Amino acid sequence: TQLLEQSPQFLSIQEGENLTVYCNSSSVFSSLQWYRQEPGEGPVLLVTVVTGGEVKKLKRLTFQFGDARKDSSLHITAAQPGDTGLYLCAGANSGYALNFGKGTSLLVTP
Amino acid sequence: KAGVTQTPRYLIKTRGQQVTLSCSPISGHRSVSWYQQTPGQGLQFLFEYFSETQRNKGNFPGRFSGRQFSNSRSEMNVSTLELGDSALYLCASSLGGTGIRYGYTFGSGTRLTVV
Repeated sequence: TQLLEQSPQFLSIQEGENLTVYCNSSSVFSSLQWYRQEPGEGPVLLVTVVTGGEVKKLKRLTFQFGDARKDSSLHITAAQPGDTGLYLCAGANSGYALNFGKGTSLLVTP
Repeated sequence: KAGVTQTPRYLIKTRGQQVTLSCSPISGHRSVSWYQQTPGQGLQFLFEYFSETQRNKGNFPGRFSGRQFSNSRSEMNVSTLELGDSALYLCASSLGGTGIRYGYTFGSGTRLTVV
């Protein structure tokens, strides 16, 4: 059973468009992490959010942690081809293990 | 500063064989975690080690095992390989228990194919 559900599963957009990726769970997490993974490589950490309601911005990427710490969203403004990749959310609680969603595969075409 | 190094990058094994994968964490990182990534299941937690002790284990059969050495390098072993073990095996390191709060650094993975 996947604790974290990501949507959409696939997204194909044109350069310059905006998009939002969602990560939902019925479980509460002490923190939520977002990673981006490119083919043949390991995931790379983008951000960690730990406080309910927290919003973090990383250039054109905006991350939000839900008030109840059960869900999160990633918004990309003016997407670029370099944003192409698999976006993964991962929830953390005690036990030193991350629970990953299955990911959102994003393709940005010029 | 060197990243997380996993060897080998690619491996092809036959059903029934066993395999050992290696991970060298970032210098100073004492926590090493292992994940299995497949198209159907995504990333699933295998186990986590800190100072040579396994602190947590995921829901995998006993054929999957691991260990950590005094220099923090880690190995995982899969015995009696099955076709379903074909996957990308990822290693991640962090400073002690801080990965849960501050995130992990992943290696590029070992792509295991079982034929």
